[in-house]
Amino acid sequence: EAQVTQNPRYLITVTGKKLTVTCSQNMNHEYMSWYRQDPGLGLRQIYYSMNVEVTDKGDVPEGYKVSRKEKRNFPLILESPSPNQTSLYFCASSLSLTGETGELFFGEGSRLTVL
Amino acid sequence: KQEVTQIPAALSVPEGENLVLNCSFTDSAIYNLQWFRQDPGKGLTSLLLIQSSQREQTSGRLNASLDKSSGRSTLYIAASQPGDSATYLCAVTSGNQGGKLIFGQGTELSVKP
Repeated sequence: EAQVTQNPRYLITVTGKKLTVTCSQNMNHEYMSWYRQDPGLGLRQIYYSMNVEVTDKGDVPEGYKVSRKEKRNFPLILESPSPNQTSLYFCASSLSLTGETGELFFGEGSRLTVL
Repeated sequence: KQEVTQIPAALSVPEGENLVLNCSFTDSAIYNLQWFRQDPGKGLTSLLLIQSSQREQTSGRLNASLDKSSGRSTLYIAASQPGDSATYLCAVTSGNQGGKLIFGQGTELSVKP
């Protein structure tokens, strides 16, 4: 089954404790991206990757890191989480964002709480 | 900077009505526009993708139109059903900002039986 898988789905952590949210897709997609969703602010893009070893900042990259060492995986790293990073996070992928195959597939989301 | 706006923020209709959701964007330099559905606590599901060269796309009871010159898109839902209740979001892939995808804030639709 074609899917985007995020882990963990739920996480409660404390300020400053490094964490990684994993994202994996099994559709051989080139494009992958991370978003956060907050009430009243909607979905905002954190980072995106057009292909392996190519990553770019979205609108809210501060406090986050990503890597794209292989096509299927795009982990989101919070080196020193803070309470303002409490949010619902989504990973998404697309075969080619700008072409006819630009349909975006989303993971189920990861709800992160930073105390 | 590209901005995407959706009006109304919330909409409640009786079952069986035809309805239109609106999406507007400020920069016409886009690759495509997508409409998504989001159920509470869930991820987003892509409904329709319209390329910048296209005027509309249809899938079942859904029809999405795109007018790039005026910066508008509409999602038409025919014969609405309670199962259509969800939040609907539109997003544009910005032509001037590489791989950035900019979302509207969504329209929360409630279809009453």
